[in-house]
Amino acid sequence: KAGVTQTPRYLIKTRGQQVTLSCSPISGHRSVSWYQQTPGQGLQFLFEYFSETQRNKGNFPGRFSGRQFSNSRSEMNVSTLELGDSALYLCASSGNKNTEAFFGQGTRLTVV
Amino acid sequence: QQQVKQSPQSLIVQKGGISIINCAYENTAFDYFPWYQQFPGKGPALLIAIRPDVSEKKEGRFTISFNKSAKQFSLHIMDSQPGDSATYFCAASGQAGTALIFGKGTTLSVSS
Repeated sequence: KAGVTQTPRYLIKTRGQQVTLSCSPISGHRSVSWYQQTPGQGLQFLFEYFSETQRNKGNFPGRFSGRQFSNSRSEMNVSTLELGDSALYLCASSGNKNTEAFFGQGTRLTVV
Repeated sequence: QQQVKQSPQSLIVQKGGISIINCAYENTAFDYFPWYQQFPGKGPALLIAIRPDVSEKKEGRFTISFNKSAKQFSLHIMDSQPGDSATYFCAASGQAGTALIFGKGTTLSVSS
């Protein structure tokens, strides 16, 4: 069974640009969550999508947005990039309600 | 309160020894407590998880101890091996698989 797939693995963007990250969950999983990992703040929850609807949202500015498609694949978008957005962005998928979350390898975003 | 406090920040253990990592939480609505292991360049991998209706859960060399009244839980790694050297994160949520609140992580080094 394939795991969670995130693309691309690495990205370099310039301040002010926008970026879109992609996540394909484990087959059959309908929930996709996104996390930001930085050395200073650790792992922080961004948002969760279930059946194409945002179900939970963390404490991040509106520049961070996401969506989920009918095949459960999800995208995360960050607009007007700032240097502080440099981080490892992780996607996690889980099955029906109350099952464990499995993480992808992440997308390393560097903003210069 | 949404915080999960994890200690120690780093830990050095000899091969064959016991590694113990502790976490404390404030939000009594949390009902799912997983531990994740992360190697450099990889996403976090679920190790073991517990719900507050049990005080201990064991899977191989890994044991979670849970103290609901003290709002604390800990990970014990028995017979620690060099291959266990990684960063360990505790987490908590009100619903398994989503909106995980992570501790800051513990870097474990097992010396041979």
